[in-house]
Order: sequence, then structure tokens, then C-alpha cells
Amino acid sequence: AQSVTQLDSHVSVSEGTPVLLRCNYSSSYSPSLFWYVQHPNKGLQLLLKYTSAATLVKGINGFEAEFKKSETSFHLTKPSAHMSDAAEYFCVVMDSSYKLIFGSGTRLLVRP
Amino acid sequence: EPEVTQTPSHQVTQMGQEVILRCVPISNHLYFYWYRQILGQKVEFLVSFYNNEISEKSEIFDDQFSVERPDGSNFTLKIRSTKLEDSAMYFCASSVPFNNEQFFGPGTRLTVL
Repeated sequence: AQSVTQLDSHVSVSEGTPVLLRCNYSSSYSPSLFWYVQHPNKGLQLLLKYTSAATLVKGINGFEAEFKKSETSFHLTKPSAHMSDAAEYFCVVMDSSYKLIFGSGTRLLVRP
Repeated sequence: EPEVTQTPSHQVTQMGQEVILRCVPISNHLYFYWYRQILGQKVEFLVSFYNNEISEKSEIFDDQFSVERPDGSNFTLKIRSTKLEDSAMYFCASSVPFNNEQFFGPGTRLTVL
């Protein structure tokens, strides 16, 4: 069965510093992986997706993620955090029946 | 840009009452989903729907739950007799066949008193 583990429940960074949100996946086949973001009182917005093409995936708002099969990881990064990046981030894997399996989420705090 | 919409944004109901949560998926999408997020917990899959029938449902989706596409645009989730533990944010999503990106609505916050 597919699953994802988000290694940090909270991450706090200063504005202008890099962001790293960690995710490990478990899958019996080449997975489709996603990062979604949820701003307070908002819905879920797709940041980026990996579907077995390029291993470095670029998303919206300057975010990117690298698929590393050897490490079963799909970490989300951004070179420079902005105050508007403060939100909850979900690493997600799609299973064979096309339903999404969510990680527990990482709350990103951005300090001024 | 097309988007998934959901109504109402917040629903408060008494335990044992029926509620219907409404969703309007993106117009050319044919796969529809409901997920829920209990406060402080993971987003969980409830049900997927295609070609006017349920494709898959989770163990959460018991006989109290039903889904329907009553016309060409709406997709509804009905909870027949609500329980306190049904209090959650319910998200509708839709996708295009053979495209694995699911687009989510803003959610309906259901509060059962």
C-alpha cells in the first residue's frame, strides 16, 4: 500500500531564508507524488506534481521538489521564504485506484 | 480559470439531522471525489465517483453516506443522520480522465452539535 510520511509537523524559518519540507514515501511501484498547500480557511491548492518524468519538479510560487528513488524521498524546497508562504503543506501520493493519500501535514511558519 | 465550488462554506446541524453538501466540479471533468479532514487530523479519502456510480469508497463511507450527481453540474454528499464525529471539513475534488491532477474546492466546514 502507498503511504507518505512528513517528517516535521512544524517548520519555522525567517523570511528570505531557504525552506525545506521533508517527505518520504512508500510505494510498490513508481508513484505519482504531489505537494498541496492549504492557507488558513482556504482550500487545497496544488503546488507541484511528479509523474515519472523529470525528477526535479518545479511548481508555483518558486517551490520545487526532487524525486529521489534511492532515498524514497520527495522533499519540497524554496530558496527564499516569503511571509505569504506561511501555510500547511501536504505531501500526497496517488494510489492505483487514483485516490489521494495525504501525509499528516507540515505547518510552515515564516518569521519576519 | 475554472474552479471547483462548494456550498455552503459552513453548515451547523443537530446530531441526527440529515445534511447535503454540494459541489460543482469543473465542467469537463468526469471523475469526482469527496475527502474530509477532521480538525487536527489528516485529509482522508471518502469516495470516488465516475459514470454515475461509486468507483471506490473508504471504510468511513458507511450506509449513512451517499453521493449523487443529480444533474449535469452538481455533485452532492448526503449524510443521512449526522453524528458528532462527522464534524469536519469536507472537500470535493474533480479530475479529467487520464490526468491524475485533482482540483479541490474550498471545502465545507460541517459542525454537528
